[in-house]
Amino acid sequence: DIVMTQTPLSSPVTLGQPASISCRSSQSLVHSDGNTYLNWLQQRPGQPPRLLIYKISNRFSGVPDRFSGSGAGTDFTLKISRVEAEDVGVYYCTQATHFPYTFGQGTKLEIK
Amino acid sequence: EVQVVESGGGLVQPGGSLRLSCAASGFTFSIHWMHWVRQAPGKGLVWVSVIMTDVSSAVYADSVKGRFTISRDNAKNTLYLQMNSLRAEDTAVYYCARGGMGSGLDYWGQGTLVTVSS
Repeated sequence: DIVMTQTPLSSPVTLGQPASISCRSSQSLVHSDGNTYLNWLQQRPGQPPRLLIYKISNRFSGVPDRFSGSGAGTDFTLKISRVEAEDVGVYYCTQATHFPYTFGQGTKLEIK
Repeated sequence: EVQVVESGGGLVQPGGSLRLSCAASGFTFSIHWMHWVRQAPGKGLVWVSVIMTDVSSAVYADSVKGRFTISRDNAKNTLYLQMNSLRAEDTAVYYCARGGMGSGLDYWGQGTLVTVSS
């Protein structure tokens, strides 16, 4: 199984400041169709997960443009340009290139 | 509006069975892969299973293979998860999620809690 490793596991951030989460996969996530199925999810407290970013850098419908994704191969990053109070929660990277799909451990974003 | 709504969770004894359902609406159910993902209390997300548009094609996590069966009824826009030989470690919130067209697990339900305990 592909192991997804996120850093940091906890990120205290000041409102209005940027935040960044890294995700590394144990194998390349490039699919045979040429796409890289690396996605980012947000889970607010008491809520189900919500898709933020798909295929490394594509924002899903309704996701604010302060969220951005980048990376290639095995190293990926989620950035929030200016953290808002509603961004508090746990962020997961996940790969959908290989079965079984796997998730990172989650990064808890909290406000300082 | 795309919606997926899970039901069927509850308390079951070890070794018992439970069948989860996921009612879908707001999209053409038959053309999407559908997934189950679970989350143990206070823990992270774990992928469980997927059923493809061909109803006979499914993939399972090793931890549930041989005990869980995923199925779908495209006429009823409903996804199922039959869970047999349940263990304490199966205790979790079970989420139904739509497989998007290249966009990953794009819509998630609110989840249904399964508790396996005597």
